[in-house]
Amino acid sequence: DGGITQSPKYLFRKEGQNVTLSCEQNLNHDAMYWYRQDPGQGLRLIYYSQIVNDFQKGDIAEGYSVSREKKESFPLTVTSAQKNPTAFYLCASSPRGVGLGTQYFGPGTRLLVL
Amino acid sequence: KQEVTQIPAALSVPEGENLVLNCSFTDSAIYNLQWFRQDPGKGLTSLLLIQSSQREQTSGRLNASLDKSSGRSTLYIAASQPGDSATYLCAVWEGAQKLVFGQGTRLTINP
Repeated sequence: DGGITQSPKYLFRKEGQNVTLSCEQNLNHDAMYWYRQDPGQGLRLIYYSQIVNDFQKGDIAEGYSVSREKKESFPLTVTSAQKNPTAFYLCASSPRGVGLGTQYFGPGTRLLVL
Repeated sequence: KQEVTQIPAALSVPEGENLVLNCSFTDSAIYNLQWFRQDPGKGLTSLLLIQSSQREQTSGRLNASLDKSSGRSTLYIAASQPGDSATYLCAVWEGAQKLVFGQGTRLTINP
C-alpha cells in the first residue's frame, strides 16, 4: 500500500533533550512537509522540502531542524531550543510541481514533555 | 501574508440536514484551495481540491465552491450523517509552494 508513515505515534521528551520524529513515504513524491498542530488550531508549517538535499524554513522553524538525504524520508528533530514542543506533528507529501496537486498526510506523532 | 479564517469554529446539527461551512482568505492570488477532514487524533484526509481556474468541485454529497474575487470558499454537505462528524479544514496554496490552513470547523452530527 502506498502512503506516508510516521513514527512513533507518541513521543515523550525530557527537559533539554533532542528528539527525532520519523516520516517515510512510498508515493514517489518529490515534496515533503512538516506541520505542527496545537489544540483547536489549524496547521502551521515548520519546514518543507521540494527535492532531495534541499529544504526551506516555514513559518515556525525556530527550535526545529530537518534533513532530506533520501527522497522517501524527511525526519524532523525537535531541539532543546524549542521551549514549547508539546503538539501534534503531521508530515505530508505532494507530487513535483507543488501547488498543482493534493497534499497527502501521515497519521501524526503526538509529542509530550515529561 | 495570507490568512485563512473559518467560521464557525464549531457547529452541531441534527442528522439529515444540509449544511455549509465557510472559509475566507485575505489574498485572492491563490493557486488552489483544498478542503480536508480530520478525525480526532488522526491525520488529514483530502476531500476536494479546487484549482484557481475552477469555481466548484463535487464529490458525492460534498460540493465546494471558490470565489477568488471575494476571497471565499464554501463546503456544502448534503443529507448529513453521524459519520460526517469531524473537523473540517480549509487551506490555500501560497506561492505554489505551501499550504496555509484555517483553524478548522468542528462539526457534530446528532443522530
